[in-house]
Amino acid sequence: AQSVAQPEDQVNVAEGNPLTVKCTYSVSGNPYLFWYVQYPNRGLQFLLKYITGDNLVKGSYGFEAEFNKSQTSFHLKKPSALVSDSALYFCAVREGGDGNYQLIWGAGTKLIIKP
Amino acid sequence: DGGITQSPKYLFRKEGQNVTLSCEQNLNHDAMYWYRQDPGQGLRLIYYSQIVNDFQKGDIAEGYSVSREKKESFPLTVTSAQKNPTAFYLCASSIEGRGNYGYTFGSGTRLTVV
Repeated sequence: AQSVAQPEDQVNVAEGNPLTVKCTYSVSGNPYLFWYVQYPNRGLQFLLKYITGDNLVKGSYGFEAEFNKSQTSFHLKKPSALVSDSALYFCAVREGGDGNYQLIWGAGTKLIIKP
Repeated sequence: DGGITQSPKYLFRKEGQNVTLSCEQNLNHDAMYWYRQDPGQGLRLIYYSQIVNDFQKGDIAEGYSVSREKKESFPLTVTSAQKNPTAFYLCASSIEGRGNYGYTFGSGTRLTVV
């Protein structure tokens, strides 16, 4: 069965420090992986995705994520955190290919950037 | 600007009432989705539609109903059969049904039972 895990409910980082939000997944075939961000009382915004190609994917707002097939991970990273990065972050996965597969969502990680 | 509009932003439902949440998109996207979000949980799929006049149940469809009579519109009705409807509801769309290009989300409707 497909699944995605975000092992940390909350991550605290000082402004200017690098940040990592973790995501691991389980799918039968090749994974399609996504990161979204949600600000309070708002919908989700697309940050980046991995479908195929380079393992390091660059996205919006200076975020990037690294696909690691052997560790089945897709951690979100940013070299220098901003207070405005504070939000709820969701990882999602679906099985690749042309089948009718829906996204499976992680429970979310609350990122708090302290000035 | 193109986007997804959800209305109302806040909705209060009395016990035994049906209520309808609106979702409209002007992105010309084929697929539309309804998700429910509860605190500490990921998004759970209620219904989705990949084409006009067709829709499929998601993981938690019981107590909900939808229609897709127009490409732009995908309203969700929360019926009295839904015993715990208090939640944040999110509508999303994607260019095509597989969502390979990502989803665009609306701003959500917060439904509260009073």
